[in-house]
Amino acid sequence: DVKVTQSSRYLVKRTGEKVFLECVQDMDHENMFWYRQDPGLGLRLIYFSYDVKMKEKGDIPEGYSVSREKKERFSLILESASTNQTSMYLCASSLTGTSMNTEAFFGQGTRLTVV
Amino acid sequence: RKEVEQDPGPFNVPEGATVAFNCTYSNSASQSFFWYRQDCRKEPKLLMSVYSSGNEDGRFTAQLNRASQYISLLIRDSKLSDSATYLCVVNRAGNMLTFGGGTRLMVKP
Repeated sequence: DVKVTQSSRYLVKRTGEKVFLECVQDMDHENMFWYRQDPGLGLRLIYFSYDVKMKEKGDIPEGYSVSREKKERFSLILESASTNQTSMYLCASSLTGTSMNTEAFFGQGTRLTVV
Repeated sequence: RKEVEQDPGPFNVPEGATVAFNCTYSNSASQSFFWYRQDCRKEPKLLMSVYSSGNEDGRFTAQLNRASQYISLLIRDSKLSDSATYLCVVNRAGNMLTFGGGTRLMVKP
């Protein structure tokens, strides 16, 4: 069974802390994504990685960085957490290939609260 | 303007009704299209891909109009269990998936 696992379901962090969100997939997918989901704004892409050590900025990369040292793991880093980064964070992975097999599989989400 | 736009709803329909959602996208180079379903407090899951010629999966029919840059989802004979948020998803070049804001459907007894 396909699996994308995020390290935490709920996190509470203080303003200014460095925060790591971890995501692991067991499907040997090339692509991995980090999104945040906020009411009224939908899912917005933060960063995308199409291979180990490769990354591309999404629509809202400011205040975030990512790391992909191994194919199965994609980490999202909040360098200095701020209250406006309180959100639901969703990791996803997909194959690279023809258009119709690029289904993205999601982790269960991490609800981060920055106080 | 958002790259993928949907009416947020909610659409409140009785059981057995037919309901349709539309989605528009702005990037004419978009390569593939999907509908995802997201239940409350759950992660999104693929409902169906959208093929150029249109496709059907049981009570669900998806259509793509490239000229007008919109995608539609039709649900026939709505069930209570269809209540969810439906996300329109567009694959830009390079496998980067862009999501619409979602359309909320509530099916009432």
